[in-house]
Amino acid sequence: DTGVSQDPRHKITKRGQNVTFRCDPISEHNRLYWYRQTLGQGPEFLTYFQNEAQLEKSRLLSDRFSAERPKGSFSTLEIQRTEQGDSAMYLCASSRRGYSGNTIYFGEGSWLTVV
Amino acid sequence: SQQGEEDPQALSIQEGENATMNCSYKTSINNLQWYRQNSGRGLVHLILIRSNEREKHSGRLRVTLDTSKKSSSLLITASRAADTASYFCATDLAGGTSYGKLTFGQGTILTVHP
Repeated sequence: DTGVSQDPRHKITKRGQNVTFRCDPISEHNRLYWYRQTLGQGPEFLTYFQNEAQLEKSRLLSDRFSAERPKGSFSTLEIQRTEQGDSAMYLCASSRRGYSGNTIYFGEGSWLTVV
Repeated sequence: SQQGEEDPQALSIQEGENATMNCSYKTSINNLQWYRQNSGRGLVHLILIRSNEREKHSGRLRVTLDTSKKSSSLLITASRAADTASYFCATDLAGGTSYGKLTFGQGTILTVHP
């Protein structure tokens, strides 16, 4: 069990640039989630995939944000025209499909700093 | 908006003492999960407790759940300096099609002094 893997771990970008984060979930997990966490706060839900289908998006996910999960394996989160308010840690998580009692495993996160 | 609220916001203890953190939430849940987060790192899963369970143990950890009071507590016994971290409770809300979307509180910062 290799865990949830995220890349890159850290990204510094200039305002207005586009950035992309990648997440590789635990191999047998068909549910995948993206969360965002700012300093001193708990993570906030952004979006959820079951296999390749994106089934829910938070209103936090503005039009500048897009997430994909082609073939139901890895996922990418792209932020276009970054703003300083996008600076945060972006966390990916995965779990098995099943009844609601499944443990959700998180990756180490991708830190984004927009300067 | 945050569903859960942890209490206290910060806790400072000596090694060997017990640490208790509380979590309150507002709406019915399917389950509640506790996580640990070291500074700048990802979340490490500690315990999941389902809405029909009242208490669970894992090593030095004990979690209780009182659905009538909409509250949970995490007890760490015989704390160690390595337990220093932020601790979050996260609720999987009941109702609708549950797929494991979690709602987190703001966390408790635990500092264990050697």
